[in-house]
Amino acid sequence: DTEVTQTPKHLVMGMTNKKSLKCEQHMGHRAMYWYKQKAKKPPELMFVYSYEKLSINESVPSRFSPECPNSSLLNLHLHALQPEDSALYLCASSPLSGGVETQYFGPGTRLLVL
Amino acid sequence: GNSVTQMEGPVTLSEEAFLTINCTYTATGYPSLFWYVQYPGEGLQLLLKATKADDKGSNKGFEATYRKETTSFHLEKGSVQVSDSAVYFCALIDDKIIFGKGTRLHILP
Repeated sequence: DTEVTQTPKHLVMGMTNKKSLKCEQHMGHRAMYWYKQKAKKPPELMFVYSYEKLSINESVPSRFSPECPNSSLLNLHLHALQPEDSALYLCASSPLSGGVETQYFGPGTRLLVL
Repeated sequence: GNSVTQMEGPVTLSEEAFLTINCTYTATGYPSLFWYVQYPGEGLQLLLKATKADDKGSNKGFEATYRKETTSFHLEKGSVQVSDSAVYFCALIDDKIIFGKGTRLHILP
């Protein structure tokens, strides 16, 4: 099973709302990632968690707050977003086994900020 | 630093045509190389990968060979189908994943 699941599939929120995106994997992977993808562009890395600890933050604004409650779950908390934050948000995971770190992506959450 | 360069799209082909999407990379060391595919409205799916020079990755009729001498990892398919219409991303992983800009492929029936 190489499945990463993400909920919700679509999300519309106002600039004063607080919402959360959820990502789950049951492959025993110990690294999890959040990416942002704008239309017709490749994904851009936002955050990396290794062994449930934040290891990389690519200078992401504080209105995005990641959380890794356990080794299978990754959340992205959203607060006071701007319309330019509208994008596809992708979660990914990889083994951290010492071998080739293939990343497996979820289907994404399409976010629209009004 | 590391980088990936893909041919610009969109690429439009007729069904059953031969496909090549060019990808070249710049890297210090010997990264692993990947092709990901993104169908309309979906996330990225791993299509194939190669971890060392001369390795050939293959999946669903697609192939790519890791060529260290030309620093290339071109994607090929002998006979494309309408269902292959998607965006294809070449990528390398060193300490983190580096994507090319993506190539949009349209297959006409």
